[in-house]
Amino acid sequence: AQTVTQSQPEMSVQEAETVTLSCTYDTSESDYYLFWYKQPPSRQMILVIRQEAYKQQNATENRFSVNFQKAAKSFSLKISDSQLGDAAMYFCAYRSDWGGSEKLVFGKGTKLTVNP
Amino acid sequence: NAGVTQTPKFQVLKTGQSMTLQCAQDMNHEYMSWYRQDPGMGLRLIHYSVGAGITDQGEVPNGYNVSRSTTEDFPLRLLSAAPSQTSVYFCASSYSNRGDEKLFFGSGTQLSVL
Repeated sequence: AQTVTQSQPEMSVQEAETVTLSCTYDTSESDYYLFWYKQPPSRQMILVIRQEAYKQQNATENRFSVNFQKAAKSFSLKISDSQLGDAAMYFCAYRSDWGGSEKLVFGKGTKLTVNP
Repeated sequence: NAGVTQTPKFQVLKTGQSMTLQCAQDMNHEYMSWYRQDPGMGLRLIHYSVGAGITDQGEVPNGYNVSRSTTEDFPLRLLSAAPSQTSVYFCASSYSNRGDEKLFFGSGTQLSVL
């Protein structure tokens, strides 16, 4: 079974600075997808960024980018120019391609605080 | 465009009571699922459905029942609530169960069982 580990329960960053959230995963599959979700105090789950395992190029979405290291099974999220609105829980998640893609496997989350 | 709608947003139950958490989506999604989120944990899959009339168990199905009579609705039933079911429940849907499909989440139901 796949597992996702987020080793940083809490992180903090100064506004306008850069922060990196760590995520490692364990799988024997070669094709899969990785996600970062943001959960603000409103509880809404918001997709931040997605990475396809077959793509070597790291995904980017505006101020958010990932460092995907397939061999190391590592998938970190970098937030540049941090804003107060970035404060939230961040969850790393894994999803199989076919046959087993019925669920997302989530890490336990990292609580990000942004200091003014 | 409503997306995924969950009701109620909050609920308090006594041990042994039953209730149904409602989930509806208006995006014609085939895949729907229920997750629970406990403090210090990520979301865990309870049940899922890949189409009307088809349901299956996820990671933590005990104590919960589901049915999928229409494409739009996927209710989650607690037949006899227990304190261990105190949690935040999320419904999520996507067009299919392909791994690259974006999953749309509802806003969650916070359930307390006393």
